[in-house]
Amino acid sequence: GAGVSQSPSNKVTEKGKDVELRCDPISGHTALYWYRQSLGQGLEFLIYFQGNSAPDKSGLPSDRFSAERTGGSVSTLTIQRTQQEDSAVYLCASSLQALYYGYTFGSGTRLTVV
Amino acid sequence: QKEVEQNSGPLSVPEGAIASLNCTYSDRGSQSFFWYRQYSGKSPELIMSIYSNGDKEDGRFTAQLNKASQYVSLLIRDSQPSDSATYLCAVNRGGSQGNLIFGKGTKLSVKP
Repeated sequence: GAGVSQSPSNKVTEKGKDVELRCDPISGHTALYWYRQSLGQGLEFLIYFQGNSAPDKSGLPSDRFSAERTGGSVSTLTIQRTQQEDSAVYLCASSLQALYYGYTFGSGTRLTVV
Repeated sequence: QKEVEQNSGPLSVPEGAIASLNCTYSDRGSQSFFWYRQYSGKSPELIMSIYSNGDKEDGRFTAQLNKASQYVSLLIRDSQPSDSATYLCAVNRGGSQGNLIFGKGTKLSVKP
């Protein structure tokens, strides 16, 4: 597609439920990133996929968070047993080569845990 | 020391003035430097990239890089109210081609 597509744009869930957030990167972009941004805060790195390499999971805050990328394209971020502190905007970005082109961000998923 | 540091602001400038946004980074191995603009409630948008020491100009925007001082800046000439946003500095992690480190951003307010 023309841009990075994320769905849903908004998600309200009850504490303790599992949620799945989806990211469809720009076609041909081999790198895909997940960040989260809490209200008024900076970007917090979560996970990074590059081609067929093992993902860099160093930013995942707990084992309740996981992500996969199927076929080198679409990615799903899963949060199990959601907590109120998980409420944030989850941003996906993709890149052809971040060193030279930086990232292109999607419009984000706003997650609210009630 | 934080990896990428920015003054959180808010930085307030009158319309038509030059806005100067600053960023310092800690990793001497960093090679690529980016400025993103983020409007309230929106996602970050890439506006400038710079890789070599010196200045790089694009329209009203000028990025400046000084690797010896580990310092990056963004100048916005003839500031407009539509420039009011948070500006994020991003730097690649030395030794990593794919992972950028973001500062927390500087909030700019341009007053008419």
